Amino acid sequence: QKEVEQNSGPLSVPEGAIASLNCTYSDRVSQSFFWYRQYSGKSPELIMSIYSNGDKEDGRFTAQLNKASQYVSLLIRDSQPSDSATYLCAVPANAGNMLTFGGGTRLMVKP
Amino acid sequence: GAGVSQTPSNKVTEKGKYVELRCDPISGHTALYWYRQSLGQGPEFLIYFQGTGAADDSGLPNDRFFAVRPEGSVSTLKIQRTERGDSAVYLCASSPGPGGTYGYTFGSGTRLTVV
Repeated sequence: QKEVEQNSGPLSVPEGAIASLNCTYSDRVSQSFFWYRQYSGKSPELIMSIYSNGDKEDGRFTAQLNKASQYVSLLIRDSQPSDSATYLCAVPANAGNMLTFGGGTRLMVKP
Repeated sequence: GAGVSQTPSNKVTEKGKYVELRCDPISGHTALYWYRQSLGQGPEFLIYFQGTGAADDSGLPNDRFFAVRPEGSVSTLKIQRTERGDSAVYLCASSPGPGGTYGYTFGSGTRLTVV
């Protein structure tokens, strides 16, 4: 089992809809979780971090964490074509000194 | 600097040649990471530094790969006897402390093509 798993997609949603991106992880002791956005041909950019169970909202983005189920998700409300990118989930490894990344989910928002 | 700087942005080299990739982290960031990313894949860990020392080099694929950070700031990833399978985007990232707590800031990457 991979340490961090994501559906590779593509996930296609119409403009204005809610996009839901999911990630599962194997290390039960992980304490912090990160979402990165990566546009085609560019490097990953940190967009959200979450440390506690529940929801964390930042503008149109909401991260949701369920440590018991080892599941973290990212919701994007009012999706825009500019949100079209690959979204990478990252989980701490090596006693929290580094991050392990999932394979990413490619999101396509259609006008 | 304001961000993580990587040079060169693109490198084309012939199979068997030696290459060096450079990373200049955000000023004051003590942790520095190297990852490799192939098309359609997530970043794959290579090595990380805490200060001048390599704290974990378990991701280096073989002994052709080596990295240094002699003064605790700029790092160089060195690849000897390059192979076509080494072609990928090499990403450098830095963090003010443990990356699992703070997250990383990535540089723009070096696209390495071995022909």
